[in-house]
Order: sequence, then C-alpha cells, then structure tokens
Amino acid sequence: GEDVEQSLFLSVREGDSSVINCTYTDSSSTYLYWYKQEPGAGLQLLTYIFSNMDMKQDQRLTVLLNKKDKHLSLRIADTQTGDSAIYFCAESHSGGYQKVTFGTGTKLQVIP
Amino acid sequence: ETGVTQTPRHLVMGMTNKKSLKCEQHLGHNAMYWYKQSAKKPLELMFVYSLEERVENNSVPSRFSPECPNSSHLFLHLHTLQPEDSALYLCASSQDRTSVYGYTFGSGTRLTVV
Repeated sequence: GEDVEQSLFLSVREGDSSVINCTYTDSSSTYLYWYKQEPGAGLQLLTYIFSNMDMKQDQRLTVLLNKKDKHLSLRIADTQTGDSAIYFCAESHSGGYQKVTFGTGTKLQVIP
Repeated sequence: ETGVTQTPRHLVMGMTNKKSLKCEQHLGHNAMYWYKQSAKKPLELMFVYSLEERVENNSVPSRFSPECPNSSHLFLHLHTLQPEDSALYLCASSQDRTSVYGYTFGSGTRLTVV
C-alpha cells in the first residue's frame, strides 16, 4: 500500500531556513500536500503541488518535487517562532475518489 | 476559525459510557471525514461520507458509530470504548470526494478513555 515517510524532528534557529523532507512510495501519486498542525489545533492546509510540477513558491514557502526519487520537500524561508508546529506531508492520486495518505509528521522547533 | 467546528474540545469518558462527538461545517462541502490521530502514528482514516452517504468504513470497530444527518453535520457515537481508543479525533471536509484541493480540518476532540 501507499506509504509516506518523514523524519520526526527538526530544530532550526529563528531567521534560518527550514527544510522538511518527505518520501512516498506510490508512483501514481498525483497530488501532494503540506499541512501544518499547531498545538491544540487541527491540520491546516499550507500548500499543494501537482505531480506535473517541479516547484511551487508561495511567499516564504517553497515546495520542491522530485518525482523520480519520490521526494517532496518544504522550505520555509526566514523561519519564525510562529512556524513551530508539526508539518504533515500527504499524497493522493487521481482516478475517482481521492484517498489521501498522511505521513507521521515532522515537529519543527524554532529556537529564538 | 477554520470553518469546521468540533465539539467538545476535550472529553474524558469511562469504558462503559456512551458519548458523541459533533462536527459541523458551513463551507458548502459535500464530503466529510473522521480521522484518528495517535502519537507517532500516521493519521488513520475512519469514515468517509459523501452527500450524507457513508462511502468508506476503514475497518473501524463497531464501538464507533458514525452518523451524518445532513451535509453540514457529522457525528461519531462512542460506546464501550477501550483505553487504546484515547486519541485526538479530527473531522475534515472537502468540496467533494474527488476534490484535489485538500481538506479543511476541525480542531479535534481530545478523547481520554479511563
């Protein structure tokens, strides 16, 4: 079945860039997502990318997709303390009903 | 405000109790979901409703019983739960089951079974 893997923890200093990585196994993955979960809250969709794209930029966020290696990354520029949260990678594929598979999440700690 | 509201935020219940979790969305979405989030595990999809009809039941024990009376409301009825059912239960919605633009999640109900 589909599998999405992420490292559990990342620590960066305020003002530095953060890079959160994700690998997935389903070669038919067509849509890939990044969600953010702050303490005591649900998941918030940050951005998504379609598999026919290599990169997507949205303000401080840059998503890179390497389809050959099935690798997705989220870069946060100028990381702020408010970026401290758990970040989830997720994938789904086309063809009828969408079934979304989530990773275990990466906890980002921003040190002031 | 995320657009998806879940109540209660926290719930402590005994193994013999019966309780219900409520989810409400006014986004005009036609699909709603229940997820279970446990520590250090991927989100587990429990149930999917599309246009008030259950379209997926992901091998969830019968002690969890969903109900979708209309496209804006979703319930999860709980009875005779086990301590291992303690988790964060998340409700989500999407435009429809084929939507590729992601889900809107509620803040979740933190359930503790004692």
